[in-house]
Amino acid sequence: EDQVTQSPEALRLQEGESSSLNCSYTVSGLRGLFWYRQDPGKGPEFLFTLYSAGEEKEKERLKATLTKKESFLHITAPKPEDSATYLCAVPVQGGSEKLVFGKGTKLTVNP
Amino acid sequence: KAGVTQTPRYLIKTRGQQVTLSCSPISGHRSVSWYQQTPGQGLQFLFEYFSETQRNKGNFPGRFSGRQFSNSRSEMNVSTLELGDSALYLCASSLDRLPGELFFGEGSRLTVL
Repeated sequence: EDQVTQSPEALRLQEGESSSLNCSYTVSGLRGLFWYRQDPGKGPEFLFTLYSAGEEKEKERLKATLTKKESFLHITAPKPEDSATYLCAVPVQGGSEKLVFGKGTKLTVNP
Repeated sequence: KAGVTQTPRYLIKTRGQQVTLSCSPISGHRSVSWYQQTPGQGLQFLFEYFSETQRNKGNFPGRFSGRQFSNSRSEMNVSTLELGDSALYLCASSLDRLPGELFFGEGSRLTVL
């Protein structure tokens, strides 16, 4: 069964304290791994798509990387506005829009 | 460019009732997906529609149904509501050529009493 596991469940950082979030997956024939950000009371917001091991994508203070078994979301010098829940997802057999999401990492950045 | 619009944003129902939720996708997006989000299970796929046809379906009972209209707008219906159906129901639209890049609405929060 296709699975996505994210760790840690919650992470508290001080402003400027860099860290990484982990997303491990078990899926046959990976057809992309997607990162989303979700703010309280809102729907998830798309961040990145990664397709192959070794691929990296960057956006402001975020950098996503992919290996054959996991993906990391690196947050460099975070700011309080980076506080959110970060979700990763993979498409499963049967359709590209049928995504399996991890349960997310809730990131809190204190000023 | 207007985002994905979901209505209603909040609703309260009692067990046994039914509910219909509406979703207007981003203009030009023909794929519409629905997800259920709960604290315990996280985001779970309900179904996806493309050009008025259900293209994929998740592992939910038949009480959950949906449809898509010719203008790509979509509705989902839950009949015979149960307490466990309380959740945030999220609609997402996408361009078919960019799989996985979903644009979500703010959701409809359903409370079943």
